[in-house]
Amino acid sequence: SQQGEEDPQALSIQEGENATMNCSYKTSINNLQWYRQNSGRGLVHLILIRSNEREKHSGRLRVTLDTSKKSSSLLITASRAADTASYFCATDRGSTLGRLYFGRGTQLTVWP
Amino acid sequence: NAGVTQTPKFQVLKTGQSMTLQCAQDMNHNSMYWYRQDPGMGLRLIYYSASEGTTDKGEVPNGYNVSRLNKREFSLRLESAAPSQTSVYFCASSPRTDTQKLFFGSGTQLSVL
Repeated sequence: SQQGEEDPQALSIQEGENATMNCSYKTSINNLQWYRQNSGRGLVHLILIRSNEREKHSGRLRVTLDTSKKSSSLLITASRAADTASYFCATDRGSTLGRLYFGRGTQLTVWP
Repeated sequence: NAGVTQTPKFQVLKTGQSMTLQCAQDMNHNSMYWYRQDPGMGLRLIYYSASEGTTDKGEVPNGYNVSRLNKREFSLRLESAAPSQTSVYFCASSPRTDTQKLFFGSGTQLSVL
């Protein structure tokens, strides 16, 4: 079963706009991660947020985590055409054994 | 610095054939993983190896076997391929299990006819 559930499944915006993607999960976690996948490529790690953190920034990325609601959001500010990709959240379900459980992803399209 | 290298990139098999997917990493990582990605399903963990000499089942291990040949290499074997194993397979590595930040290869597109 999928641990993370991203919402929306697809998002289409214009360059310069902000893109917000959400992720919900069902179990306790140690941390939550976001990954990007360009078409036909492997996943690339974007950012990790620990369960005791509420917000984290990395460049144009902002991630929030609400453990009481078991949800996270990824905000990409001032989107560019190069941000077009699928974005996945992943959680560890509270394990430290290194297993990550991925959601189905959000397909982001940024139009020039 | 190649990172995680997977071979082959594409493969077509007939039902019942066997094959091995190869994965190697040059980052001196302890942990390695095999995932499959199906349309609309995200990634699902097949097997993982927390360290050299150990392997464990993930979410969907049936029909697969793995070998952690050494610290660098982690192979995935399909003994008798089935159409349900048509998928894109990704190998990943991590410095250690509690870091959990994964570095992915570029994938193997496998079709079983």
